[in-house]
Amino acid sequence: KAGVTQTPRYLIKTRGQQVTLSCSPISGHRSVSWYQQTPGQGLQFLFEYFSETQRNKGNFPGRFSGRQFSNSRSEMNVSTLELGDSALYLCASSLLGQGLGDTQYFGPGTRLTVL
Amino acid sequence: AQSVTQLDSHVSVSEGTPVLLRCNYSSSYSPSLFWYVQHPNKGLQLLLKYTSAATLVKGINGFEAEFKKSETSFHLTKPSAHMSDAAEYFCVVSDGGRPGANNLFFGTGTRLTVIP
Repeated sequence: KAGVTQTPRYLIKTRGQQVTLSCSPISGHRSVSWYQQTPGQGLQFLFEYFSETQRNKGNFPGRFSGRQFSNSRSEMNVSTLELGDSALYLCASSLLGQGLGDTQYFGPGTRLTVL
Repeated sequence: AQSVTQLDSHVSVSEGTPVLLRCNYSSSYSPSLFWYVQHPNKGLQLLLKYTSAATLVKGINGFEAEFKKSETSFHLTKPSAHMSDAAEYFCVVSDGGRPGANNLFFGTGTRLTVIP
């Protein structure tokens, strides 16, 4: 089976712009979770989608949003980018979802740099 | 409340010597526990997983971890370090599912350096 794929792998934007990141889960997986990873804050949970519905949400401002399509592919959007949004954004998929002892399979990440 | 503490932010070992990466957790539920490895600029790769079966869990690349409920620990070990083991390691606890909450908790990571 193909693993989790994320596009693009690298992205450079300027402050105030918006960005959309894409994640394709492993075939058959219905849960997609997004994480932000920075040297200072480590790995932080953004949100989880399951069957096109947001199931869990972390403590991020409303500028961060996401959605999931009927084929389980997911996108996350960050509007009005700030310098502090520079990070590695990781997507993970699982069959049942996080918190159920289910294994999360991670993609390679999208490295976002905000100038 | 659920939490994960990785006791060492950085561990250095010589190639061929044992590896010990320490992790303590707290959980109000019967937890599932994971160890992931992350190589530079890559995503996280699952090393092993504990879900209340055998307390000694064997993973990939010769790693294993032992769940000790009395000590609330889930330390990762490997008998002999290889240069390719140099990476960041994350201990993760899943609390069994509370709808509407963030149910995965990540440790802050341990950077493993392997000295030739």
